[in-house]
Amino acid sequence: QQPVQSPQAVILREGEDAVINCSSSKALYSVHWYRQKHGEAPVFLMILLKGGEQKGHDKISASFNEKKQQSSLYLTASQLSYSGTYFCGTVSSYGKLTFGQGTILTVHP
Amino acid sequence: DVKVTQSSRYLVKRTGEKVFLECVQDMDHENMFWYRQDPGLGLRLIYFSYDVKMKEKGDIPEGYSVSREKKERFSLILESASTNQTSMYLCASSLDTYSNQPQHFGDGTRLSIL
Repeated sequence: QQPVQSPQAVILREGEDAVINCSSSKALYSVHWYRQKHGEAPVFLMILLKGGEQKGHDKISASFNEKKQQSSLYLTASQLSYSGTYFCGTVSSYGKLTFGQGTILTVHP
Repeated sequence: DVKVTQSSRYLVKRTGEKVFLECVQDMDHENMFWYRQDPGLGLRLIYFSYDVKMKEKGDIPEGYSVSREKKERFSLILESASTNQTSMYLCASSLDTYSNQPQHFGDGTRLSIL
């Protein structure tokens, strides 16, 4: 079963912040985050492993709450280059990576 | 740098044809994956392979088969193409099967079945 991402789409102005959420109905071992720009391959951002850790990547960070089976991606002071579709991928006890439906992020000047 | 290469960016085929999509990776990765990407549905796993000649079904294997004769190459086969297989197809590879290694994607093949 696919994890559920919210919101489905978000529109920002440069410098604004955004949060993208990823929820699963299954217990999770890890969460992956990827970004795909239009016409390009998805690009790996980060992996969060079981343990509730938070990771950072420039002004993009993420948290993983294994009890709630949720992860959130935080984009701070957004830049035009942040535009794209963000996918979370969750790994459950079956060991399979399952992607969410994606969140379209658009950053305007 | 990691490189996953898909043989075609765009492909147009007719209903009933046998279609081959090819993917090559240069990282000596054990694991390779085929996904299809449709608007609003995200990336859905068709098949994956964790070793040469080994394969496992993903979430939507119906109508597809795969072949992995060499470690670096993973082929997706549409046995008899149908219009509902019109989609973007993405190949990926990784060092580890799932949990704690990233997947590296190719640029995708946009396949249209007429």
